[in-house]
Amino acid sequence: AQKVTQAQTEISVVEKEDVTLDCVYETRDTTYYLFWYKQPPSGELVFLIRRNSFDEQNEISGRYSWNFQKSTSSFNFTITASQVVDSAVYFCALMAGGGADGLTFGKGTHLIIQP
Amino acid sequence: DGGITQSPKYLFRKEGQNVTLSCEQNLNHDAMYWYRQDPGQGLRLIYYSQIVNDFQKGDIAEGYSVSREKKESFPLTVTSAQKNPTAFYLCASTETGILGDQPQHFGDGTRLSIL
Repeated sequence: AQKVTQAQTEISVVEKEDVTLDCVYETRDTTYYLFWYKQPPSGELVFLIRRNSFDEQNEISGRYSWNFQKSTSSFNFTITASQVVDSAVYFCALMAGGGADGLTFGKGTHLIIQP
Repeated sequence: DGGITQSPKYLFRKEGQNVTLSCEQNLNHDAMYWYRQDPGQGLRLIYYSQIVNDFQKGDIAEGYSVSREKKESFPLTVTSAQKNPTAFYLCASTETGILGDQPQHFGDGTRLSIL
């Protein structure tokens, strides 16, 4: 069985601070995929990044960066110079076992960026 | 524009009543999914379908039913057997349901409440 743990229920920072959202996953599959989604107050889920288990390169996209470490089963997400528009709930998700049965989501981290 | 359309945005159910949530996609995706989100929780998989006329139960299928008569449509019925239906329901689709490397695209969701 797969499991995703986002230990941080809520994080509040002041605008322009850097913030890291933690994600720890569990799976017995050797091939799997990790995702991050953003859920703004409007409710829709916005895809941010996909990473497969064979690619441990970190990725940077503008103010966003992701650190994938198989040794610790973690896929952490950092926002640099946070902005109020970054306020949302962020979900980490795992797809394994060929992807047939959908995504396993963490419970999400509610990020609040204060002006 | 291509995307996933869920309707209605808000839905109210009376005791003992079945209600159907609509999900339509024009992305030509093979796989479609239904998730349920409760406050402070991640998304949990209800049902999924990888191909027309075929669908599988997810983690919390009891009290729900689906059909997949057309590739672009995957309606979810919340039956009277579902004793706690109040939640936010999200529909998703993905290009290839078995490879696991494609992100799922989500609709804007339907918020279901009990009268």
